Amino acid sequence: ETGVTQTPRHLVMGMTNKKSLKCEQHLGHNAMYWYKQSAKKPLELMFVYSLEERVENNSVPSRFSPECPNSSHLFLHLHTLQPEDSALYLCASSLGVGEEQFFGPGTRLTVL
Amino acid sequence: AQSVTQLDSQVPVFEEAPVELRCNYSSSVSVYLFWYVQYPNQGLQLLLKYLSGSTLVESINGFEAEFNKSQTSFHLRKPSVHISDTAEYFCAVRAYTGGFKTIFGAGTRLFVKA
Repeated sequence: ETGVTQTPRHLVMGMTNKKSLKCEQHLGHNAMYWYKQSAKKPLELMFVYSLEERVENNSVPSRFSPECPNSSHLFLHLHTLQPEDSALYLCASSLGVGEEQFFGPGTRLTVL
Repeated sequence: AQSVTQLDSQVPVFEEAPVELRCNYSSSVSVYLFWYVQYPNQGLQLLLKYLSGSTLVESINGFEAEFNKSQTSFHLRKPSVHISDTAEYFCAVRAYTGGFKTIFGAGTRLFVKA
């Protein structure tokens, strides 16, 4: 499989659940990103990793916890979310930070 | 601070008509510019990019964009749209300000009608 993949594609969770989103890239890239895309709002950059080291964290609530075990995998651990966290969560990767980004299809998250 | 402004949130147009999606940016340093497209239920895909050289860049599906440094614009155009061009289009700017950073615009929804 090539490109950037994300699992699951859809997730419904309650506010007390713990779940994780997974992103995997098969492009040999060194940088990976998490974005939140909500209706009627600009794309929000959440986290940036370069060579498994977090280089950017844009004031994201602690109920979102990223993990990058290696340059091919990126996780977003979710805990005690709020209904306003419902959105499309997009993962992307690039050769280096700031280079052209390749996006996954996203995970549609609904928090009840 | 850098910013990207897409002036139109929605652009309805009839099939085979021309279209222009506007993008303006603010940056005091030299930039790279991108247009991404997002089809329903998919992630973003790169449509075209300006890095240097010719200010007019083209995509394989008939879109083109022109970098205008004096007007700090990077408008996207297509002379004749198809129904299949219906999607959300995002303009993005990359600049170096102590580190490379890419800023996305809010997006323009292009809706092509038959």
